[in-house]
Amino acid sequence: DQQVKQNSPSLSVQEGRISILNCDYTNSMFDYFLWYKKYPAEGPTFLISISSIKDKNEDGRFTVFLNKSAKHLSLHIVPSQPGDSAVYFCAAFATDSWGKLQFGAGTQVVVTP
Amino acid sequence: GAGVSQSPSNKVTEKGKDVELRCDPISGHTALYWYRQSLGQGLEFLIYFQGNSAPDKSGLPSDRFSAERTGGSVSTLTIQRTQQEDSAVYLCASSRRTGAGEKLFFGSGTQLSVL
Repeated sequence: DQQVKQNSPSLSVQEGRISILNCDYTNSMFDYFLWYKKYPAEGPTFLISISSIKDKNEDGRFTVFLNKSAKHLSLHIVPSQPGDSAVYFCAAFATDSWGKLQFGAGTQVVVTP
Repeated sequence: GAGVSQSPSNKVTEKGKDVELRCDPISGHTALYWYRQSLGQGLEFLIYFQGNSAPDKSGLPSDRFSAERTGGSVSTLTIQRTQQEDSAVYLCASSRRTGAGEKLFFGSGTQLSVL
């Protein structure tokens, strides 16, 4: 079963505006969350992460928000740039299985000029 | 090396043949992972190795799949008697160790096509 869900397969946003990507999870044992970015023909690259003891983590244009009670996290990119066009994966670790990073299906972001 | 290296980058094979996919992790990384991404799907965990511990094989989809890691470094993923549903991008990743906050660094993957 899919424990990490990204329900929006695609997102189109204008350059300079905010991109908001959403992710929901079902496993209450997840306590560390990551976002990866993937360009075609390349492996995913780490973008930003958040521990379950926090509700927000910011790194430059990227901010991740975590709502544990709702089992929901989001990634905000502001301002969006053409180079941000990629597939974004939400992923999570559970405390009892550190080796298994569970991924969502990804959201394709297209930033238009 | 500077990053995780995978070979070959592309592999086309006929149904029923065996294939071997290779992964060279980042030097010094003790943890190594295999994932695969089927068309339109997210990344699916297959197996991970942590140091000298027994690997966690719980994600391997069938006994046709096996992996080994020699000398704590290079890993080979073997698929025997390939089937068309095995077609996917197979991604290898490594990290310093497994644990909270550890970032996985991925290779570019091997695109496997089973005809």
